[in-house]
Amino acid sequence: DVKVTQSSRYLVKRTGEKVFLECVQDMDHENMFWYRQDPGLGLRLIYFSYDVKMKEKGDIPEGYSVSREKKERFSLILESASTNQTSMYLCASSLFGTGTYEQYFGPGTRLTVT
Amino acid sequence: GQQVMQIPQYQHVQEGEDFTTYCNSSTTLSNIQWYKQRPGGHPVFLIQLVKSGEVKKQKRLTFQFGEAKKNSSLHITATQTTDVGTYFCAGPGGGGSQGNLIFGKGTKLSVKP
Repeated sequence: DVKVTQSSRYLVKRTGEKVFLECVQDMDHENMFWYRQDPGLGLRLIYFSYDVKMKEKGDIPEGYSVSREKKERFSLILESASTNQTSMYLCASSLFGTGTYEQYFGPGTRLTVT
Repeated sequence: GQQVMQIPQYQHVQEGEDFTTYCNSSTTLSNIQWYKQRPGGHPVFLIQLVKSGEVKKQKRLTFQFGEAKKNSSLHITATQTTDVGTYFCAGPGGGGSQGNLIFGKGTKLSVKP
């Protein structure tokens, strides 16, 4: 079974703090993704990566950065957390190729910024 | 930019009634995927449709891909309480996307026993 794990289920941080969200997958997938999910807005792509050290901006990259130093690990960084970044953050992974492959999601991290 | 629109946003049904959610794209899609997210859970892949006019069934769920490959639907026959959740469609992101998806906003299904 594909397993995507995220470092925390719940996280509470203060405004201005630097926040790290970690994601690890065990299926040797090339692609990894970070989404945020807010009520009524669905899943919005923040960043994705198709290889180690490679990253691409998604629809809402402002205020976020990412790091992919190892194939199995993809980190999302909030350089200076703000209250409007309170959200559910979902990590996903998939194969890479000429087609589109199903994405496997982690359990999510619910981040609250106070 | 490319958009994937999904309707309705919410649907409340009595157990045993049918349910349909519709997905429309502003551009032709090479394929479309469907996911289900249970309350408190994460999205889980259901199916991918690739061919124009394709119809696939999974027990009480029927998935269709339009002839023009710009729309899709998911129909559930005789809903059960286990069908509760949010259903998302997703199409490939444009411009050499290397596998990223554009998700619809989802249809949240509630089922009254």
